[in-house]
Amino acid sequence: GDSVTQTEGLVTLTKGLPVMLNCTYQTTYSPFLFWYVQHLNEAPKLLLKSSTDNKRTEHQGFYATLHKSSSSFHLQKSSVQLSDSALYFCALSDSGMGYKLTFGTGTSLLVDP
Amino acid sequence: AQTIHQWPVAEIKAVGSPLSLGCTIKGKSSPNLYWYWQATGGTLQQLFYSITVGQVESVVQLNLSASRPKDDQFILSTEKLLLSHSGFYLCAWVRDWGLAETLYFGSGTRLTVL
Repeated sequence: GDSVTQTEGLVTLTKGLPVMLNCTYQTTYSPFLFWYVQHLNEAPKLLLKSSTDNKRTEHQGFYATLHKSSSSFHLQKSSVQLSDSALYFCALSDSGMGYKLTFGTGTSLLVDP
Repeated sequence: AQTIHQWPVAEIKAVGSPLSLGCTIKGKSSPNLYWYWQATGGTLQQLFYSITVGQVESVVQLNLSASRPKDDQFILSTEKLLLSHSGFYLCAWVRDWGLAETLYFGSGTRLTVL
């Protein structure tokens, strides 16, 4: 079956530094990848999505590129802010259908002043 | 614009007591609706989904049940709560962008079982 791996449970950074949160996936079908961000005591919100190989997608200063050759969809930002502190989930759909989303375990990003 | 409303915002319940959580979506006809559960700091686990009134599919039951009594309403319930039911319950719907369906979550209900 499908799976999503997020290797970092917690990432701690100082404001202004770059960040990369890792996401790799496994599927035998054509992948649709998503990043969701969840701030404390809030619901997850869609941050990015992509199904196009080697095309960078950006939103709110975050960006990610789907690389089918390495089955990766890492999330990056060039300069983190305090407000970026949150839980980030990578998710995979192998069909383009929302009810078949597989979520990773999540990465907590903590930004220090 | 579509809006999704969940109720209640939070609940504190005793082990063994019943529970009913609700979700209503406005501005979209015949939505696909989903229930997710999240332990504190944990990942998102899909519990149920429904594509039409009266029809609910179970993904992981966890001693919970779900019903779709109206086109715009999705209910999650149990007759007897367990400690393990504590967590964050999220109702969600999908929007079809033509390329892929994208999941959007309601604001959630935080449940504490004591």
